Amino acid sequence: EVQLVESGGDSVQPGGSLRLSCVASGFSFSTYWMTWVRQAPGKGLEWVATIKSDGSDKYYLDSVKGRFTISRDNAKNSLYLQMNSLRVDDTAIFYCVRGGGWALDHWGQGTLVTVSS
Amino acid sequence: DVVMTQSPLSLPVTLGQPASISCRSSQSLVYSDGNTYLTWFQQRPGQSPRRLIYMLSNRDSGVPERFSGSGSGTDFTLKISRVEAEDVAIYYCMQATRWPLTFGQGTKLEIK
Repeated sequence: EVQLVESGGDSVQPGGSLRLSCVASGFSFSTYWMTWVRQAPGKGLEWVATIKSDGSDKYYLDSVKGRFTISRDNAKNSLYLQMNSLRVDDTAIFYCVRGGGWALDHWGQGTLVTVSS
Repeated sequence: DVVMTQSPLSLPVTLGQPASISCRSSQSLVYSDGNTYLTWFQQRPGQSPRRLIYMLSNRDSGVPERFSGSGSGTDFTLKISRVEAEDVAIYYCMQATRWPLTFGQGTKLEIK
């Protein structure tokens, strides 16, 4: 069974940093692209970033470029999202999703990031 | 960026009746390989999203046959042939033909 378990969400002040993690199990992690998608409270879904299976290519939403970094450790079956210079409008549930592009086929339960002064 | 526009945003439906959700894109979603990378997700209250339909019309494993996806170019539809209580959810379309991936605003299906 595919499982994606996110962690690292917290409450931080504007300008702060957080590192989200996602541990994957039940599939061959190193062969899949991986993606982060976020959802602001009561709002819709917004794609954030995607990384290729070997980590060689990364894609970002314009509004997070230069602030967020997606990375992975295939030896640890883990996906990460380093978030710096956090803004109030980054407040959201962040989902770890298997796949990239059309193949967003399994979603984690999400981890909540709250940015507030 | 490709803008995805869903309608209606709220959809009250009687149990057992059909339902239809429209999704329109600001650009054609036909990729250079001939495929159309249009995906539909379902998000039930308090749950993570679940993929229902990928590449326009392919139903995911475990998705009831009453769900179907269709369309072409810039105009797409998710149909539920007979709505059941478990279909209460928000439905999102998403395009993956061009970066960045973009979602529709979501359509909230409720039972009338």
